[in-house]
Amino acid sequence: QVHLQESGPGLVKPSQTLSLTCSVSGDSIGSGNHYWDWIRQPAGRELQWIGRVYSSGTTNYNPSLKSRVHISVDTSKNQFSLNLRSVTAADTAVYFCAREKSPGPTATFDYWGQGALVTVSS
Amino acid sequence: QSALTQPASVSGSPGQTITISCTGTSSDVGTYNYVSWSQQHPGRAPKLILYEVYNRPSGVSSRFSGSRSGNTASLTISGLQAEDEALYFCTSYTGSSPDVLFGGGTKLTVL
Repeated sequence: QVHLQESGPGLVKPSQTLSLTCSVSGDSIGSGNHYWDWIRQPAGRELQWIGRVYSSGTTNYNPSLKSRVHISVDTSKNQFSLNLRSVTAADTAVYFCAREKSPGPTATFDYWGQGALVTVSS
Repeated sequence: QSALTQPASVSGSPGQTITISCTGTSSDVGTYNYVSWSQQHPGRAPKLILYEVYNRPSGVSSRFSGSRSGNTASLTISGLQAEDEALYFCTSYTGSSPDVLFGGGTKLTVL
């Protein structure tokens, strides 16, 4: 069974960097069989796709966040990470990591983490 | 790009059949077969229940079915059960950047 788990600070100050890590078990990121994604959901709003990373480190980002986002992968730890710079209150959301169903990219997410609430506040 | 359009809420009694719509455009739902549906119970990870419009992952009940007409995809749940009460959202590939779009989500209440 594939399992994803987000981890990181639940509170970030405005203008600082939001950093989250997704730990994967039951599958190997390094196998190159899937893309691995970050998705967020502000309270009361629809889900927003942030971006994806492949085992090689290749990334795709949502243009609306591209200037502030960096997603990286560590195949030795079977983890991938999200960094979002210069955060504001508008970045307060539940952040999900997810596996994209292959052959990708397919915009089809077959496994998700439970989500991590990140609040941007001083 | 705008989010895919879903009704905010639907309801039905146990045993009934309900349908949830997901309306996009010819640039997403109407063109690509990568339309999927997920179920989310409060505090739980979303669960994929349909992919490529009408395919069910292993282990998902046959009470869940999908279809598409033009730019609108639909999720139908037959024989409603109390455990079906959850949030349902659709997702579509778009072929342009960003290539992932989500629906706003539909809250299903089983009366």
